[in-house]
Amino acid sequence: AQSVTQLGSHVSVSEGALVLLRCNYSSSVPPYLFWYVQYPNQGLQLLLKYTSAATLVKGINGFEAEFKKSETSFHLTKPSAHMSDAAEYFCAVRGYGGSQGNLIFGKGTKLSVKP
Amino acid sequence: EAGVAQSPRYKIIEKRQSVAFWCNPISGHATLYWYQQILGQGPKLLIQFQNNGVVDDSQLPKDRFSAERLKGVDSTLKIQPAKLEDSAVYLCASSRQGLVETQYFGPGTRLLVL
Repeated sequence: AQSVTQLGSHVSVSEGALVLLRCNYSSSVPPYLFWYVQYPNQGLQLLLKYTSAATLVKGINGFEAEFKKSETSFHLTKPSAHMSDAAEYFCAVRGYGGSQGNLIFGKGTKLSVKP
Repeated sequence: EAGVAQSPRYKIIEKRQSVAFWCNPISGHATLYWYQQILGQGPKLLIQFQNNGVVDDSQLPKDRFSAERLKGVDSTLKIQPAKLEDSAVYLCASSRQGLVETQYFGPGTRLLVL
């Protein structure tokens, strides 16, 4: 069965600082991995996805993530945080077998950006 | 391109009452998902449709929840009777067919059961 673990339910950074949100996955097959962002009272928006092509994936709003099979990780980074990045971020893995096609989400990490 | 539409945005009901949510996916998207997001947790799949057929409803509490997708387009999710623990945001998503296709989410319906 697939699963994801997001380390840290809340991360706080200063504006202009590096953003690092951690995600580790468990999968018995090569995974498809996703990062979504959720702003207050809104649905989820895709930031980026890994589909077994390049291991470094670039997404929207300056975010990127690196797939590391040896570490079973897919951490999300952004070199310089902006106030508008404050939101909740979810890592997800695509389900297989009976749940093929759906997304299995982590519990989320809330990012705060201090001025 | 219009996004996934959901209504209502908010709903407050008392326990044991019934409630229904509506979702209109992006035009041309064959796959439709309903997720439940409890406060402080990530979304959890309730049911997945491929056109108007159910692909996965293994996590749907079938004694109280039901869903349909008539004509392979719009979908409704119903809870009857509601329990306190059903308080959550109900998210609808749609995608084209395929494992790597992006799922696009609607704004969600926030349900409070008193």
